[in-house]
Amino acid sequence: EVQLVESGGGLVQPGGSLRLSCAASGFTFSSYYISWVRQAPGKGLEWVANIKDDGSDKYYVDSVKGRFTISRDNAKNSLYLQMNSLRAEDTAVYYCARVGFERAFDYWGQGTLVTVSS
Amino acid sequence: DIQLTQSPSSVSASVGDRVTITCRASQGISNWLAWYQQKPGKAPKLLISAASSLQSGVPLRFSGSGSGTDFTLTISSLQPEDFATYYCQQANSSPLTFGGGTKVEIK
Repeated sequence: EVQLVESGGGLVQPGGSLRLSCAASGFTFSSYYISWVRQAPGKGLEWVANIKDDGSDKYYVDSVKGRFTISRDNAKNSLYLQMNSLRAEDTAVYYCARVGFERAFDYWGQGTLVTVSS
Repeated sequence: DIQLTQSPSSVSASVGDRVTITCRASQGISNWLAWYQQKPGKAPKLLISAASSLQSGVPLRFSGSGSGTDFTLTISSLQPEDFATYYCQQANSSPLTFGGGTKVEIK
C-alpha cells in the first residue's frame, strides 16, 4: 500500500524556519517525482515545489523561490522541504504528493499544518 | 503561468442529479489535466488524469473530457458521498496550477 506521511509542521514566528519531512512507503520511491502542495485555511490548492526522481532537478512556485528548498534522500525514502524566511502567507496545510505516470498527483499524504504567526 | 478557471464556483444539487463542472485553461495544455475530489479535513483524491483517464476504484459515474483549453468533469448521477469540492489541475508546464475549486452542495 502506498503511504506518504508528513511531519514537522508547527507554529513558527515570521522570519523563522521549519523543515518538513515526508516518509514514503509501499512503492519504489526513487522512480517518482514528488511534490509539495499546500492549502491555506479555507482556500484552494497551490503547488509549491517538485523534485525529480533522482533529485537532479527542482522546480518552485515563484512565491517561495529563494526561501524554500526541496530535497530528497532516496536511501531513506524521504522527501524534505526546508522553509526559511517564513511569512504569514505561508500558513497552510502542506501535503506531499506523488506524481504519477500521467503527471497527476496520484497519492497524497495526510498533510501537516504550518502556522506562521507572532 | 497557465491560469485555470473553474465554473461554477459552487453548485447545489440533489441526489441523482447530473452535475457538470468546467475548467478553462488560459492557453492550450493538450490533455494534461487532472481532476481531484476533496472532502473537509481530508487530502485531495485523484479522480481523473490525462483529461479522461478514470483512476482505479473511482466510480463510473465520474467522467472527464476535453483537450486544449476546455475541459469538463461530469458526475452522471450524484450520490451522497459525492458532496465535496472538486479541483482541476494542469500538468502541461511549470508552475503547475490548480483551478479555484467547485463546491458541490446538497440542495
